[in-house]
Order: sequence, then C-alpha cells, then structure tokens
Amino acid sequence: NAGVTQTPKFQVLKTGQSMTLQCAQDMNHEYMSWYRQDPGMGLRLIHYSVGAGITDQGEVPNGYNVSRSTTEDFPLRLLSAAPSQTSVYFCASGRGPDTGELFFGEGSRLTVL
Amino acid sequence: LAKTTQPISMDSYEGQEVNITCSHNNIATNDYITWYQQFPSQGPRFIIQGYKTKVTNEVASLFIPADRKSSTLSLPRVSLSDTAVYYCLVPYSSASKIIFGSGTRLSIRP
Repeated sequence: NAGVTQTPKFQVLKTGQSMTLQCAQDMNHEYMSWYRQDPGMGLRLIHYSVGAGITDQGEVPNGYNVSRSTTEDFPLRLLSAAPSQTSVYFCASGRGPDTGELFFGEGSRLTVL
Repeated sequence: LAKTTQPISMDSYEGQEVNITCSHNNIATNDYITWYQQFPSQGPRFIIQGYKTKVTNEVASLFIPADRKSSTLSLPRVSLSDTAVYYCLVPYSSASKIIFGSGTRLSIRP
C-alpha cells in the first residue's frame, strides 16, 4: 500500500545547482500535482497534470519544470536552484480535480544555500 | 475554484468541541465542499466532503446549511493530537486543478 512516494525526503543544494524531485503513485490516478509549502504558510500549486502527456502551470511555476510520460510518475525539476526555492515540496495524486480528493506524499524538504 | 474564507487561527482546550466555519459565497450548484487536515511535518490528508446538510465520519462532522454559502467542520472532544491546520476547499465540478488557501491553524491546549 505505497500510495504516493516522494524521493528524496531531504536535499541540500547550492545556488545554481539543478535537481529532480521524484514522485510516483500506484493508485492509477490520472491527476497529479506538485505543491510547495514555506514555513507557516499554506500550500501553493506549482504544476499539475490531468493525465500522461499533459501538464500545466499552477500558481508558482517559475523555476520548475515537469513532465508526465507515464501515469505513475510526475517528476519535478529545479533548473537552477535559488535560496527562494527553499521549501517543503509535496506531491499529490487523485482521480480528478473535480472530486476534490487528493492523496499526498510525505514531502521533500529542500534547502538551497 | 470557489473562493473560501476561514479564520487564520483558533485555540481550544482538550475535551472541547471545536467548530471551524468556512465561507464560500459563490459556490456553484454542482460543487462539493472538502476539508483537509495537515499535521506538522506531514502532507495534508482528506478528512471529509459534503454537498448539503450533514456528513459525519470517524474524524469529524460537516454541517452545510441549505444555501450552501458556508460550512462548518466540527471536531468533537478534541485532544492535543488534533492540533493541525485545517483547509476548506470548494473545487469546481469542472476544475482542472486544486488550489489550497492558507487554512485555519488550530491549537489545542491541555
């Protein structure tokens, strides 16, 4: 019963480095999304996907890329890390955004020095 | 996504009933009302969803008046472990994405 799996759980980067946060789900959900959460704040939508081959921007997409080549995987790429991207990143999946029900991963805590 | 308004924070004591109200004045006919709970250092989890009147599960109750312009999440006899952030969402029935607001930070004291 894996649900939504995120890796890594913790990562420290230097400014300018790139990296990929991995997200995989085993529930055959069409909808997947990435959020970031800064300390004491709510979640902000970065990118989302309504199915394989389809992605779109959320509220704060700048500095991030995504792809959705399979139903199961939805990686988030940081192109050139900046200190402002220090945050906790959550991946979520669901049957569809109209259902309102999402299943979240445990989060990936990223620090950019 | 119907805009929602909920209190930024609330405090209560163990054993009390806590009611968190959310306003969603422009809710559409087909929209459902959804609540999430987020414990510190964890991702949010879906706790309850409703369309009208009352919905109850093992975690909470959700009360929705006839005009559906607001909803109240009720947590009976809270404990310290109910300390969390609670988010109210009203996804459009034709929505392509789910956006969270700031939520209500609930603190329970002994």
